[in-house]
Amino acid sequence: AQSVTQLDSQVPVFEEAPVELRCNYSSSVSVYLFWYVQYPNQGLQLLLKYLSGSTLVKGINGFEAEFNKSQTSFHLRKPSVHISDTAEYFCAVSDPHSGAGSYQLTFGKGTKLSVIP
Amino acid sequence: DSGVTQTPKHLITATGQRVTLRCSPRSGDLSVYWYQQSLDQGLQFLIQYYNGEERAKGNILERFSAQQFPDLHSELNLSSLELGDSALYFCASSAPVGTEAFFGQGTRLTVV
Repeated sequence: AQSVTQLDSQVPVFEEAPVELRCNYSSSVSVYLFWYVQYPNQGLQLLLKYLSGSTLVKGINGFEAEFNKSQTSFHLRKPSVHISDTAEYFCAVSDPHSGAGSYQLTFGKGTKLSVIP
Repeated sequence: DSGVTQTPKHLITATGQRVTLRCSPRSGDLSVYWYQQSLDQGLQFLIQYYNGEERAKGNILERFSAQQFPDLHSELNLSSLELGDSALYFCASSAPVGTEAFFGQGTRLTVV
């Protein structure tokens, strides 16, 4: 079975400072990895994904993440945050072998990012 | 806009009642997923349908059921509702050869 651990439930950071949101996963098989963002009262929007290939993945809004197989981690980073980045961020995994077009996701508990002016 | 449409956006109902949540996937997507987001359990996968057939089941209660119709829209039926069923219910869809799931805006269910 897969599981995802997001080590920080809340992360406050000053505007224009860098941020790292941590994600570790547990799986006995290879995985696909995702970061989603949820703004207040909205649905989930995909920030970036890792399927294979380069371990450094770039996403929307200036975010990037690095897949580290040996540490089973997929941390999300942004070099300079904006007020508009205030939201909840979810790390998720899926099993590539679950069938064509199947992206059943196991989510972490989420990290609330608060950007302080 | 993800292209996934969920109705209604909000639903308030009493304990013991039954409700139906509706989801229209993106055009061309064959898979529909249902997730529950609650404060204590977080985001949990409930069930997946692929082209009308149940593909995978997660932590879905026996009081809950779902189906996917020939036009590919899906409905999640919740019955004998309890206070603890109050949550945000998300639908997502994915394409047969896609690489990600797209989420709707969710239906917020409040059981009083």
